[in-house]
Amino acid sequence: QLQLQESGPGLVKPSETLSLRCTVSGGAISGSRYYWGWLRQPPGKGLEWIGSFYYGGSIYYGPSLGSRVTISVDSSKNQFSLKMTSVTAADTALYYCARHALGIDAFDVWGRGTMVTVSS
Amino acid sequence: EIVLTQSPGTLSLSPGERATLSCRASQSVNNDYLAWYQQKPGQAPRLLIYGASSRATGIPDRFSGSGSGTDFTLTISRLEPEDFALYYCQQYGNSLTFGAGTKVEIK
Repeated sequence: QLQLQESGPGLVKPSETLSLRCTVSGGAISGSRYYWGWLRQPPGKGLEWIGSFYYGGSIYYGPSLGSRVTISVDSSKNQFSLKMTSVTAADTALYYCARHALGIDAFDVWGRGTMVTVSS
Repeated sequence: EIVLTQSPGTLSLSPGERATLSCRASQSVNNDYLAWYQQKPGQAPRLLIYGASSRATGIPDRFSGSGSGTDFTLTISRLEPEDFALYYCQQYGNSLTFGAGTKVEIK
């Protein structure tokens, strides 16, 4: 059974870089029918797509975070990562990694999420 | 960017009643790439419907999706106690955006 697990520091200082990792088990991120992505949800608010990638293909980023975000992949460890620079309190959120299946075109498998607080 | 407007913000109903949730897009959603998710407190979202009307694996048939273009609907035919939750729509036709959600609460 496919599982995704987010990991990373729970507290980041303003202006610093947030780094998170998603470890995938029960399936390979190099699979040909899937995108993999990051999303976030500020406390008490709705969902926001951060970005997604297709292994061996393109990486797509949501419009609101622009150049502050980078997604990278380590297929040898079956992991992908998120880096977000110059964070502010507005980046405090529950961060999810998820699989986006081609043909379904929706996020069908999610991690449990990891809470990141931006505070000095 | 396509803006999704969900209504109502909160729906107060009793178990056994029918729930009708609306999702309206600011422009037509390409290929009807519209999905619905359910989220309960402390849990990740769960995919219910994709492609506007196809149920995801394991989703009970009391959940149904309909619509096309800019107007989409999620219907829960008879509410079960476990259906009281937050529901989000999401489009993937033009970038990827979510609606603000509809809370289905017990009346």
